[in-house]
Amino acid sequence: AQTVTQSQPEMSVQEAETVTLSCTYDTSESDYYLFWYKQPPSRQMILVIRQEAYKQQNATENRFSVNFQKAAKSFSLKISDSQLGDAAMYFCAYRSAGSLSFGAGTTVTVRA
Amino acid sequence: DADVTQTPRNRITKTGKRIMLECSQTKGHDRMYWYRQDPGLGLRLIYYSFDVKDINKGEISDGYSVSRQAQAKFSLSLESAIPNQTALYFCATSDLSRAGWGQETQYFGPGTRLLVL
Repeated sequence: AQTVTQSQPEMSVQEAETVTLSCTYDTSESDYYLFWYKQPPSRQMILVIRQEAYKQQNATENRFSVNFQKAAKSFSLKISDSQLGDAAMYFCAYRSAGSLSFGAGTTVTVRA
Repeated sequence: DADVTQTPRNRITKTGKRIMLECSQTKGHDRMYWYRQDPGLGLRLIYYSFDVKDINKGEISDGYSVSRQAQAKFSLSLESAIPNQTALYFCATSDLSRAGWGQETQYFGPGTRLLVL
């Protein structure tokens, strides 16, 4: 089974500032996908961004962007211009041809 | 996502009781999944179903069973609940038919919080 590691249990960011969440994974596969999901207090799991391993270009979705380093097996999420609504738990996830594997999550707090 | 619903949203039960968690989806997706979420462990896959006749065990299937009654319905049962099954349970769906597995995105229900006393 693949291992996904999120080394930061909690992160705090000032509103309008930038925060970066780290994620590393362990795999022997060459073809896979990586995801970041957001879980607000409502408990809903919401897809934030997806990255294809075969693409060198980093994915971007509005204020969310990733830094994908395939050789280092690293997949960090940057939240720019943080907003109060960004406060949530964020999960990194890995998928190859098998099932989806999740990290333990990082709780993001946004200070007004 | 309102297209994936779970019932009940919260449940308290006692050790040894049988309990069923239900999931329904209106997205028309062929694949459905059950996960549990525990603090510090993220989400772990319990069972998944690629269609009505295809059911597979996930990472932590012991103590659980599932039923895929129709394309839109996927139920999770705890035959004899125990306290360490206290967790947040998520149902998810995805559609592989329109894209390869790499394009598959899972859509999650709102979760069911289960407490086993």
